[in-house]
Amino acid sequence: GQSLEQPSEVTAVEGAIVQINCTYQTSGFYGLSWYQQHDGGAPTFLSYNALDGLEETGRFSSFLSRSDSYGYLLLQELQMKDSASYFCAVRVYGQNFVFGPGTRLSVLP
Amino acid sequence: DVKVTQSSRYLVKRTGEKVFLECVQDMDHENMFWYRQDPGLGLRLIYFSYDVKMKEKGDIPEGYSVSREKKERFSLILESASTNQTSMYLCASSATGKNTEAFFGQGTRLTVV
Repeated sequence: GQSLEQPSEVTAVEGAIVQINCTYQTSGFYGLSWYQQHDGGAPTFLSYNALDGLEETGRFSSFLSRSDSYGYLLLQELQMKDSASYFCAVRVYGQNFVFGPGTRLSVLP
Repeated sequence: DVKVTQSSRYLVKRTGEKVFLECVQDMDHENMFWYRQDPGLGLRLIYFSYDVKMKEKGDIPEGYSVSREKKERFSLILESASTNQTSMYLCASSATGKNTEAFFGQGTRLTVV
């Protein structure tokens, strides 16, 4: 089977940098994705890593290390609007997505 | 603008009722999914479909069934609703491929009383 682990909560202040880790156990997958979900909203796609290394999209970066079964999402210059839940996910070879339990990020003024 | 639309934002149903949750996507995606979201448990896959009339069980299919008669529509059916099925239900769709993302509907908050 597949499973992903994330911290349940992270708190940081505006302007800071925060890293949300994701460790996984899966038999095979195409890549690691990150999704953001605001309270009452739908999850929305943030980033995708097919290969090992760092992908940067504006203030957000994501990293994958397949040898360590580990990835992270890095959020820089935190803003209040970044307060949300963040999910890592893998797309497995059967084409469905497996999600982690989510990390609730609280950004304080 | 791509869109996944779920028929209801909020539903209240009685124990034992048959419940239908409808989902429509306008992106011509092959794959559609139903997830259940509960606090601390993330998104758990109930069923997914990779083509019309095709379906695969996810991690928690018990008590649910699905129907996909047309490519754009994927329905989740609770055969006999129970209180432990009170939850947020999220529909998603995606194209087939390695780098594709999942697009989600706004969710249906179902309460079974």
